Amino acid sequence: DGGITQSPKYLFRKEGQNVTLSCEQNLNHDAMYWYRQDPGQGLRLIYYSQIVNDFQKGDIAEGYSVSREKKESFPLTVTSAQKNPTAFYLCASSIGRGLRTYEQYFGPGTRLTVT
Amino acid sequence: GQQVMQIPQYQHVQEGEDFTTYCNSSTTLSNIQWYKQRPGGHPVFLIQLVKSGEVKKQKRLTFQFGEAKKNSSLHITATQTTDVGTYFCAVWHFKAAGNKLTFGGGTRVLVKP
Repeated sequence: DGGITQSPKYLFRKEGQNVTLSCEQNLNHDAMYWYRQDPGQGLRLIYYSQIVNDFQKGDIAEGYSVSREKKESFPLTVTSAQKNPTAFYLCASSIGRGLRTYEQYFGPGTRLTVT
Repeated sequence: GQQVMQIPQYQHVQEGEDFTTYCNSSTTLSNIQWYKQRPGGHPVFLIQLVKSGEVKKQKRLTFQFGEAKKNSSLHITATQTTDVGTYFCAVWHFKAAGNKLTFGGGTRVLVKP
């Protein structure tokens, strides 16, 4: 089955630790995205990448870092500099670039709790 | 980038009734998409609108893009418990560095049986 996988589903960390969230897709999509969702809120864009070895900051990139070494993988690191890291993190992908709109596919998400 | 505001933020609906949720922008939109997120789940794409005045239907769901392309609506008839969830509108922005999708705050729908 084609799709996006995120692991783990639930993640618990102590304050001051960096943590990396996994996102893998086998849809052969060029573009990948990371969103943060707080309880009862909408989705806010953290980082996005249109091609391998290139990525752009979204609206709330501070305290986060990403890499895009492979087309299928776009891991997100939540650093200790992120002041309020507890949230639901969603990874998404879409076909790609150009002046066209595409459906965005989402992974099941990772719920991160930092205490 | 273009911001979209969704109203209402919450919608409590009696099962069997109709309701409408709205997505508004202060600027002209080139496109709009709608997604649904079930409680505890992830957003799932529903529809895309790009033409002025466009209307699309999916069973009991009717989506409309305003004539001025500054607003969109989602109307659900005969609401069922399966309609529970949060409905988001979203707009694609095109940039040389890459395209990105901006989401509205969502309308949370609760259905009373």
